[in-house]
Amino acid sequence: EPEVTQTPSHQVTQMGQEVILRCVPISNHLYFYWYRQILGQKVEFLVSFYNNEISEKSEIFDDQFSVERPDGSNFTLKIRSTKLEDSAMYFCASLGNTGELFFGEGSRLTVL
Amino acid sequence: GENVEQHPSTLSVQEGDSAVIKCTYSDSASNYFPWYKQELGKRPQLIIDIRSNVGEKKDQRIAVTLNKTAKHFSLHITETQPEDSAVYFCAAGKYGKLTFGQGTILTVHP
Repeated sequence: EPEVTQTPSHQVTQMGQEVILRCVPISNHLYFYWYRQILGQKVEFLVSFYNNEISEKSEIFDDQFSVERPDGSNFTLKIRSTKLEDSAMYFCASLGNTGELFFGEGSRLTVL
Repeated sequence: GENVEQHPSTLSVQEGDSAVIKCTYSDSASNYFPWYKQELGKRPQLIIDIRSNVGEKKDQRIAVTLNKTAKHFSLHITETQPEDSAVYFCAAGKYGKLTFGQGTILTVHP
């Protein structure tokens, strides 16, 4: 069964450093998303992406965040200058034909 | 924007009992209401979902009901088992943009 894959599974970085999280959505899906989950809290929507552009973003998704699909396969989330409060699990997802979201296994980001 | 409230935050039941988790939402434009089970350190796993044109859906021991007028939906788990212990999240939204509830920690005691 096709799956959304994410790398890395865990990244530790110093505050102020740039981080890129990578995702390979399911191949025939057209809509892609990033969600995040701070430890012990709920899952929160960050951004949706369709036809090579952002279709919607949340208040969390400020100028420090960006997304792109550089090669038609990978879908990346970049955090330009990480803050302590960016520590969280980041889930990539793609939207199936039935409206179901398919989540990747997540990338845990730890900012020191 | 959408706002989803979920109750209770913790729920403890004996094996074999039923468990009910309730959610309310605010945006009448939401048309998709999934329920997720999440184990520690894992991704949310879809267990059942319902759309706004349906009032009830059942899958073995799990059922979901939706009241569009009152803007609330509920998850019902019957004959609970210890392996049902996890965090459960409701969500509401459309086109993949979901707003999640705060989660319910379900503990099923053998």
